[in-house]
Amino acid sequence: GAVVSQHPSWVICKSGTSVKIECRSLDFQATTMFWYRQFPKQSLMLMATSNEGSKATYEQGVEKDKFLINHASLTLSTLTVTSAHPEDSSFYICSASPVTSGSAGELFFGEGSRLTVL
Amino acid sequence: KNEVEQSPQNLTAQEGEFITINCSYSVGISALHWLQQHPGGGIVSLFMLSSGKKKHGRLIATINIQEKHSSLHITASHPRDSAVYICAVTRTGNQFYFGTGTSLTVIP
Repeated sequence: GAVVSQHPSWVICKSGTSVKIECRSLDFQATTMFWYRQFPKQSLMLMATSNEGSKATYEQGVEKDKFLINHASLTLSTLTVTSAHPEDSSFYICSASPVTSGSAGELFFGEGSRLTVL
Repeated sequence: KNEVEQSPQNLTAQEGEFITINCSYSVGISALHWLQQHPGGGIVSLFMLSSGKKKHGRLIATINIQEKHSSLHITASHPRDSAVYICAVTRTGNQFYFGTGTSLTVIP
């Protein structure tokens, strides 16, 4: 099946630093990738929709200047948590749909990235 | 009120039991997804459906568009089925709504 890879899986950083998380579709092209955040024992929360070659669409309440998303190619999207603070500690997950699937396409998820901000 | 409601929130079953997890939604959708999340965090998409019924191994997913309801069934449950199962719906324009998940524990 289709594979989506996230890196890093775990990251610990000091407060005030920025952290970049990569999401790659390894065997398909994805016009659209999605970024989610998940708090312990809670479900996924969609943060933003990342569109190749254009600006990301952020969900209400998600600070676009805090969570910078770049989708430079059809196989790579990055999420940068800028000036991270302890409250940004969370599990971040990406997903992607193959280009051919359309807006209701099957989702393939990355393994997730656990961020801890000290 | 959440756009997607799942029940039960927690479920414990004996190995071999037949399991049903329910999902109701209140918005018009283009597709419904059943996702499985293991303790490590990784998520696998089990089914994407917009009508009828799909079967994959011991898993069966059904959807009733008129009633805005879907069910995920697991036959002959096994401890390796222990995970959180999440119902998600998509609308046009890449809008997503997620259920809060059902935590399933299958006891040997």
